[in-house]
Amino acid sequence: KNQVEQSPQSLIILEGKNCTLQCNYTVSPFSNLRWYKQDTGRGPVSLTIMTFSENTKSNGRYTATLDADTKQSSLHITASQLSDSASYICVVVDSNYQLIWGAGTKLIIKP
Amino acid sequence: DGGITQSPKYLFRKEGQNVTLSCEQNLNHDAMYWYRQDPGQGLRLIYYSQIVNDFQKGDIAEGYSVSREKKESFPLTVTSAQKNPTAFYLCASSNRDRLEAFFGQGTRLTVV
Repeated sequence: KNQVEQSPQSLIILEGKNCTLQCNYTVSPFSNLRWYKQDTGRGPVSLTIMTFSENTKSNGRYTATLDADTKQSSLHITASQLSDSASYICVVVDSNYQLIWGAGTKLIIKP
Repeated sequence: DGGITQSPKYLFRKEGQNVTLSCEQNLNHDAMYWYRQDPGQGLRLIYYSQIVNDFQKGDIAEGYSVSREKKESFPLTVTSAQKNPTAFYLCASSNRDRLEAFFGQGTRLTVV
């Protein structure tokens, strides 16, 4: 069964610190993997999209990694800001363009 | 400016009533989607449409209906047959390569 598991479920860190969120998946065949940021009560916004051949992709202070062999991805946030408080969702797309959504990691940045 | 507009932002429904959620996009995207989001769960696909006058059921279509009479519009009706309709509903669209999906701001539906 195609699944996307994210960890941790929630995370609290101090402003200015770094953090890493994890995503493990069992989706096959694989097309691409996406990370979204979702503010409370708003729609998700795309952060990165990674295809099979890409290992690392950055978007400002966000850096996503992908290991297609172990079927793992991570999202690293550098020098966190209060505005980073949100849910971060990992989505894996299969070759039929079906999106399999993770439940998300809720990140809280404290001053 | 371009984007996806969902309305209303908040909606209250009495049991036994049908309600319709609006979704409009001016991105000229062919594909449009409706998702449901419940606390602690990933988004679940209700219906999707890849072209005007055509749509397919997603994973949880029971109790919902849609139409796609215009490219720009993809309204979702939550019928009285949906047993647990209280949720956050998200509409999305994507272009032909379907590489990226753009989301509206969501509609929070509450049954009272």
